[in-house]
Amino acid sequence: RKEVEQDPGPFNVPEGATVAFNCTYSNSASQSFFWYRQDCRKEPKLLMSVYSSGNEDGRFTAQLNRASQYISLLIRDSKLSDSATYLCAVKKSSGDKLTFGTGTRLAVRP
Amino acid sequence: NAGVTQTPKFRVLKTGQSMTLLCAQDMNHEYMYWYRQDPGMGLRLIHYSVGEGTTAKGEVPDGYNVSRLKKQNFLLGLESAAPSQTSVYFCASSYKTGVNLYEQYFGPGTRLTVT
Repeated sequence: RKEVEQDPGPFNVPEGATVAFNCTYSNSASQSFFWYRQDCRKEPKLLMSVYSSGNEDGRFTAQLNRASQYISLLIRDSKLSDSATYLCAVKKSSGDKLTFGTGTRLAVRP
Repeated sequence: NAGVTQTPKFRVLKTGQSMTLLCAQDMNHEYMYWYRQDPGMGLRLIHYSVGEGTTAKGEVPDGYNVSRLKKQNFLLGLESAAPSQTSVYFCASSYKTGVNLYEQYFGPGTRLTVT
């Protein structure tokens, strides 16, 4: 089983839709979680960290479910500009490295 | 602030040639990383460094060497390039402590083709 797994998609949604992605992780000792956004042929950029209590940034909400070992990203009122690949990243309790998922592609259509 | 910069942006090598990719950051980050990204494989860590003068192996280190002689620079070397090293290479850096611990900032990438 991969350490971090994501549905590759693509998720094709109309503008204004609400869409959610999940990311599962295998190591129960993981302690830090992040969502990154990557546009085509560009570098990944941090979208938001994921806190235990869940956190929201505008139209984006991130949540952590430790019992089921997954994190989620909810995007409300999708915009054309949200079209990108969303990568989740997980840090184990020890060590200094992040492990990235392969990403979920989102395509928002007019 | 330029953030994280990478040189070169594109390169084509013949099998067996060598090259060095340069990563520079101006954020005074302690940690630096080299990743490769291939379709369907995601970002895979090649080598990383937790401080000046230190390096460590990541998930896919074979065929690569690194050096961190200065805090702001992290070099990735390919001694004898192989077609399997055709990829997009990303450098990243992050803080060691603080609120933003482990939030990684990426460079724009280097597209390498080995023929």
